[in-house]
Amino acid sequence: GQNIDQPTEMTATEGAIVQINCTYQTSGFNGLFWYQQHAGEAPTFLSYNVLDGLEEKGRFSSFLSRSKGYSYLLLKELQMKDSASYLCAVLAGKLIFGQGTELSVKP
Amino acid sequence: GAVVSQHPSWVICKSGTSVKIECRSLDFQATTMFWYRQFPKQSLMLMATSNEGSKATYEQGVEKDKFLINHASLTLSTLTVTSAHPEDSSFYICSAQGTLETQYFGPGTRLLVL
Repeated sequence: GQNIDQPTEMTATEGAIVQINCTYQTSGFNGLFWYQQHAGEAPTFLSYNVLDGLEEKGRFSSFLSRSKGYSYLLLKELQMKDSASYLCAVLAGKLIFGQGTELSVKP
Repeated sequence: GAVVSQHPSWVICKSGTSVKIECRSLDFQATTMFWYRQFPKQSLMLMATSNEGSKATYEQGVEKDKFLINHASLTLSTLTVTSAHPEDSSFYICSAQGTLETQYFGPGTRLLVL
């Protein structure tokens, strides 16, 4: 079967760093995506990892370990506007989404 | 770049009517587009994959005669919800596949069937 796990919700403080983990078990793997989704809006693309290692893009970084079936999204210098749901999605024939992690950034 | 639009953004309709949703890739051509549905507090569920010039591929449990998909050009795919019922009320989101198999999402269409 296809299974993607990520925490349901997390809380962090403005200016801090937060790491959102994602583990997956899928039949096939052609890459892992992270998307940000604000309430009532469609997801926006954050990152794509297909090889092991860390991809850095400004305040956001994403890490992948294919052997462990594990990824994380790292958000630095948190801002209030980062409060959103973060979706981990694996491309395995089709894009399979996790349930999303609701991140609340507090002042 | 990689902008995807959807129209309309909101639809309220009576039970039994049909609703058409358009998805356009504005600044790139997309051979493949996808249609998702998202219920409150849940993640996106793929409904169907739309390929330009050919029939759409539907996911298990999605009725192809109820959710008609047409992908007539490299920048436009349409989803028609036929004979809509209250249980079809949901957030419908399309995406268009760009480079490196990245999907870019439209802003979504919120459908409410009364």
